[in-house]
Amino acid sequence: SQQGEEDPQALSIQEGENATMNCSYKTSINNLQWYRQNSGRGLVHLILIRSNEREKHSGRLRVTLDTSKKSSSLLITASRAADTASYFCATYTGNQFYFGTGTSLTVIP
Amino acid sequence: EAQVTQNPRYLITVTGKKLTVTCSQNMNHEYMSWYRQDPGLGLRQIYYSMNVEVTDKGDVPEGYKVSRKEKRNFPLILESPSPNQTSLYFCASSFLSTMNTEAFFGQGTRLTVV
Repeated sequence: SQQGEEDPQALSIQEGENATMNCSYKTSINNLQWYRQNSGRGLVHLILIRSNEREKHSGRLRVTLDTSKKSSSLLITASRAADTASYFCATYTGNQFYFGTGTSLTVIP
Repeated sequence: EAQVTQNPRYLITVTGKKLTVTCSQNMNHEYMSWYRQDPGLGLRQIYYSMNVEVTDKGDVPEGYKVSRKEKRNFPLILESPSPNQTSLYFCASSFLSTMNTEAFFGQGTRLTVV
């Protein structure tokens, strides 16, 4: 399987703290994306980073990509209770999307 | 409003009874795909389609069929459902661009096969 893996599987933090989650993947990629899923609902796209980019920002989100290590990280700054969700990385390669197993983030008010 | 619409949202059926889950998108996306989500396994791609009349197997295609007769619709067919197909299913669509493949997801179909 070319599926990626997120680390940690679960993360619990206090509101206002930063949350960092990591993703590792197995093959060369065109781009890497991060998605958010609220309990049992559809995934929502957060941010896309292309294979020739190293870092990207969007609001409170910061994504890094290290293609030599086949890894990416997602940083959510100043977390809020509403950020409680599961976060997935996804790679697009060979006409297919490959999703990781997800990080479950709980932000405690 | 740009969206991917799946129906039904919830379905309970019996083993062997053929069913179809519909998926429709209004964004003129070329690429459409189906996933199943199971605890601890993340999302796994079942089938995908890069355009009308073009479909390909994903990682877990066994027991499923799809068709793409129109650009906007991509139904998932279970000819003879079995209990191991009990899962949460998602349809998604996106443009076909290697540099910008943001996927839009439906709200999901929770299928139980008894």
